[in-house]
Amino acid sequence: DAGVIQSPRHEVTEMGQEVTLRCKPISGHNSLFWYRQTMMRGLELLIYFNNNVPIDDSGMPEDRFSAKMPNASFSTLKIQPSEPRDSAVYFCASSYSGTGTNNSPLHFGNGTRLTVT
Amino acid sequence: SQQGEEDPQALSIQEGENATMNCSYKTSINNLQWYRQNSGRGLVHLILIRSNEREKHSGRLRVTLDTSKKSSSLLITASRAADTASYFCATDGSSASKIIFGSGTRLSIRP
Repeated sequence: DAGVIQSPRHEVTEMGQEVTLRCKPISGHNSLFWYRQTMMRGLELLIYFNNNVPIDDSGMPEDRFSAKMPNASFSTLKIQPSEPRDSAVYFCASSYSGTGTNNSPLHFGNGTRLTVT
Repeated sequence: SQQGEEDPQALSIQEGENATMNCSYKTSINNLQWYRQNSGRGLVHLILIRSNEREKHSGRLRVTLDTSKKSSSLLITASRAADTASYFCATDGSSASKIIFGSGTRLSIRP
């Protein structure tokens, strides 16, 4: 299994530009999570999907952020327009979410390091 | 918002010594997990302990859970240079699917 695949690995963009981060979860996993990691705020949960449906997006900082999961094998996180304070490492993680509390651990991608100048 | 808080924030020990990290959380949980993050990489799952368990072992790792105190500890025995990393606890809070991470402990192993 290739694991969770994120692209690009690094993204440098100018303020005001649109940024799209991509994630391919592990086949068979039905939950997908987007996290943002910074030194100041640590690892923040932005949004998570279960069976391709957004369940909780309360962590999405602003309307500039949007996430989609059109099918079980692909998700995007879009920032439009980007700002310097969006600079962070963005992680995608997937897991199998069973009935009740029977959940498997999260499997993380290696992240996208976003720099907005 | 962060559900868990790790203590200490940073820990430096000699190779061969044991390392203990603590995690406190705020709400009731179904399970608690520990993850490791090496610099520049994603988090890697280490161990999961369910709310009805009090202790769990995996190789050199030992995890305890005290739900009455809303706390957990991770013990790494006979530390090695390769154990140098950041360690995070993660809880599911009020939702079995919503996984929230603590602030992490940076562990450095001196040769």
